[in-house]
Amino acid sequence: SQELEQSPQSLIVQEGKNLTINCTSSKTLYGLYWYKQKYGEGLIFLMMLQKGGEEKSHEKITAKLDEKKQQSSLHITASQPSHAGIYLCGADPFYNTDKLIFGTGSRLQVFP
Amino acid sequence: DTGVSQDPRHKITKRGQNVTFRCDPISEHNRLYWYRQTLGQGPEFLTYFQNEAQLEKSRLLSDRFSAERPKGSFSTLEIQRTEQGDSAMYLCASRARGLKSYNEQFFGPGTRLTVL
Repeated sequence: SQELEQSPQSLIVQEGKNLTINCTSSKTLYGLYWYKQKYGEGLIFLMMLQKGGEEKSHEKITAKLDEKKQQSSLHITASQPSHAGIYLCGADPFYNTDKLIFGTGSRLQVFP
Repeated sequence: DTGVSQDPRHKITKRGQNVTFRCDPISEHNRLYWYRQTLGQGPEFLTYFQNEAQLEKSRLLSDRFSAERPKGSFSTLEIQRTEQGDSAMYLCASRARGLKSYNEQFFGPGTRLTVL
C-alpha cells in the first residue's frame, strides 16, 4: 500500500523566516493535496498538484511536485504566527479514486 | 455558513455505549466521506458515499461501525458497543464530482469522541 512520509515532523521557526516541509511517497502520486489543520479542528484545503514539475502558489505558500511525482514540498516565505498549525499532505492511492491517504503531518510553530 | 458541518463537535461516552454522529455536506456535493484521525496521525479513510450509495468501506470499519446517507444529503456514522480504541476525531468531507477535474475534498470541523 502507498505510504506518505512527511518531514520534519515538527518545526519551530522565528517569525519572518522561510521554511520547507517535504512529503515523500513510496509510489507515484496521481494527485497530491496539501491541507492545513489547526489543533482539534478540521482540515483546510491549500493546494492540489497533479502534473510532474507542477508548482502552485497562494499568498506566501508555494507547493511543488517533482518530475517523478513521488515527492512534494511546501514552502512558506516570511512565516507569520497565522501560519502555525499542522500541515498534512494527502494523495490518491490510485488513479481516479476518491479516497485520500494522508501523511502523519508536520507541526509548525512560529514565534515572534 | 455553507461549509461542511458536523454534530456534535464533542462526545464523551462510556465504553459499551452506542454513539451516532451526523454530517451535513455542502449542498450541491454528491460525494461524502468519513475519516478517522487519532492523535499525532493523519486522517484514515473509513468509507464514502456517492449520493445514497455506499461505494467503499475500509477494513478499518469493523462490524460495530455503520454509516448511512439515506437521501443522499446528510450522513450518519454510528458506532455500537464503543471501545476505548474508538477514541478519535471523526472527520467528514464532501466533494462535487464532475465540476472540476481534481479531487478537492472539503472537510468539516470534526467530532471528537472520547470513550471512558
